[in-house]
Amino acid sequence: KAGVTQTPRYLIKTRGQQVTLSCSPISGHRSVSWYQQTPGQGLQFLFEYFSETQRNKGNFPGRFSGRQFSNSRSEMNVSTLELGDSALYLCASSLDRGYNEQFFGPGTRLTVL
Amino acid sequence: EDQVTQSPEALRLQEGESSSLNCSYTVSGLRGLFWYRQDPGKGPEFLFTLYSAGEEKEKERLKATLTKKESFLHITAPKPEDSATYLCAVSPRDSNYQLIWGAGTKLIIKP
Repeated sequence: KAGVTQTPRYLIKTRGQQVTLSCSPISGHRSVSWYQQTPGQGLQFLFEYFSETQRNKGNFPGRFSGRQFSNSRSEMNVSTLELGDSALYLCASSLDRGYNEQFFGPGTRLTVL
Repeated sequence: EDQVTQSPEALRLQEGESSSLNCSYTVSGLRGLFWYRQDPGKGPEFLFTLYSAGEEKEKERLKATLTKKESFLHITAPKPEDSATYLCAVSPRDSNYQLIWGAGTKLIIKP
């Protein structure tokens, strides 16, 4: 069974630009969560999507947004990039909202110059 | 406030030297506690889920245990390939399924 896939794996952007990251969950998994990971802050929860609806949202500004499609694939978007947005962005999928075991993708490394 | 604290922040061991990592938590009610392993630049890899005090899970050289206040990840006779950051997360009963993550313990096993 294929794991969680994320594209692209690496991105370099400049301040003010916007970026879209993509996540394909494990087949059959319906819940997708996004996290930001930086050396100083650890894993920070961004949002969770289930059945194409945002179910939870972390403490991030409105520049961070996401969506989920009917096939459970998810995208997250960051507009007006700032230097502090440089991080590893991780996507995790779980079977259903009642199953908390989350399985992570390899991440997208975003560098903002 | 729900909180998860992992200790120590970093641990250096010689190959074969057994030890334990700690994850202490403060939540109103526990739905589950999870252990993950993360290698540098990669996504966390799921290891164990524990649901109730007294429960234990084992996988190769790793054994996870749970009490009402904390969980331990015991590493027996570790090898250099066990070097990684170990993350703990809890799912509070009233959290709408959102996990609360610890900062992790960086484990280094020297040959």
